[in-house]
Formats: sequence, C-alpha cells, structure tokens
Amino acid sequence: AQTVTQSQPEMSVQEAETVTLSCTYDTSESDYYLFWYKQPPSRQMILVIRQEAYKQQNATENRFSVNFQKAAKSFSLKISDSQLGDAAMYFCAYRRAGGSQGNLIFGKGTKLSVKP
Amino acid sequence: DTGVSQDPRHKITKRGQNVTFRCDPISEHNRLYWYRQTLGQGPEFLTYFQNEAQLEKSRLLSDRFSAERPKGSFSTLEIQRTEQGDSAMYLCASNKGSEKLFFGSGTQLSVL
Repeated sequence: AQTVTQSQPEMSVQEAETVTLSCTYDTSESDYYLFWYKQPPSRQMILVIRQEAYKQQNATENRFSVNFQKAAKSFSLKISDSQLGDAAMYFCAYRRAGGSQGNLIFGKGTKLSVKP
Repeated sequence: DTGVSQDPRHKITKRGQNVTFRCDPISEHNRLYWYRQTLGQGPEFLTYFQNEAQLEKSRLLSDRFSAERPKGSFSTLEIQRTEQGDSAMYLCASNKGSEKLFFGSGTQLSVL
C-alpha cells in the first residue's frame, strides 16, 4: 500500500525568508502524481503545486517549487519570500496514475507559521 | 460561481442519530469526491461520483455510510447510527475532466 510521510508536524519561518517542507512516500508504482495542498483556517484545501513522476524537471509555481527525488521517494516543497498569508497546514499527497483524480493519499500535514 | 458549497458548516448530534450532509459542486463539474479528515490527519478519500454514477468507494465507507448524487449535480452523504468515531470534518471536492480539484470548506461533525 502507498504511504505518505511528513516528518515535520510544525515549522516556522520569518517573513520574506525561505522554508522547506519535507515529504517522503512509498510506492511500488512507477507512474504517479505528487501534490502539495494548503489548508488555511478557512478549511478549504487549495492546490499549491503538482508534479508528474515521469517528468524529471521540478515543478515551479511562482514562489513555490519542489525538489522531486524519485529514487529517494522524496518530494519537498520550498517556499521563497514567505508571506503572512502562507501560514497554513500543508499536506503532501500522492495519486497513482490511472486512478480517479480525487483518490489521493495524504500525509498528516505540516503546520507552517510565518513570523512578521 | 461561488465555488464548492457544503452545508451545514457544523453539525452536533447524539450517538445513534442519523445525519446528512450536502455538497453543491461547481456547476459545470461532473466529478465529485467525498473525504473524511480527523484531527491531526490529512483527508482520507471516501467515494467518487462521475455524474450520477458512484464509481469508487473506499473501504472506509462502512455500511452505515451512504452517498448519493441523484441528478449528477449536488450530492448527499448520510451517516446512520452515528458513533463517536465518526466525529470528523467531511470534505467535498469537484472537478471536470483532468482539471485540478476544488474543495469546499467542509462539514465539521461532532458526535456526543
């Protein structure tokens, strides 16, 4: 069975600084998708970034980028120039290729605090 | 378009009672998903609808749980004979085709 592990329950970053959130996963599949979702206090999950396993190039979305290490089964999220609005729970998620888009396996999350 | 809407936002019930939650997806979205999120955990997939057809069900969806999407628009999730272990946030999401998921703000269920 696939699993997703986030080993940092809480992280803190100073406004305008850079922070990296860790995620490891376990799967025997070769084709899959990885995601980072943000869940602010409003509870609404928001997609931050997505990575296809068959793509070697790391995904980037503005201030958010990932370091995808397929052999190590590692998928970390880097947030540059952190802003107060980045404070939230961040969840790493896995989906096997061929499954429905919503059949995701989530980690337990990392709570990110941003200090002014 | 106001996004994915879930009702109610909070529900408190006594053990043994039945509860029903509603999810209204974004209007043109034909795919709808339900999740359960307990405290300190990430969401867990429960079930998936494409239009009115329920195409996937997680093993987490016990016999006391039933979900419907009768006209391919809104969906309901019913829990019969609630137990304290059912206390959680129930999230709904929708999308169209292979587009990204849009989530609602969830229904927080407390079973006393």
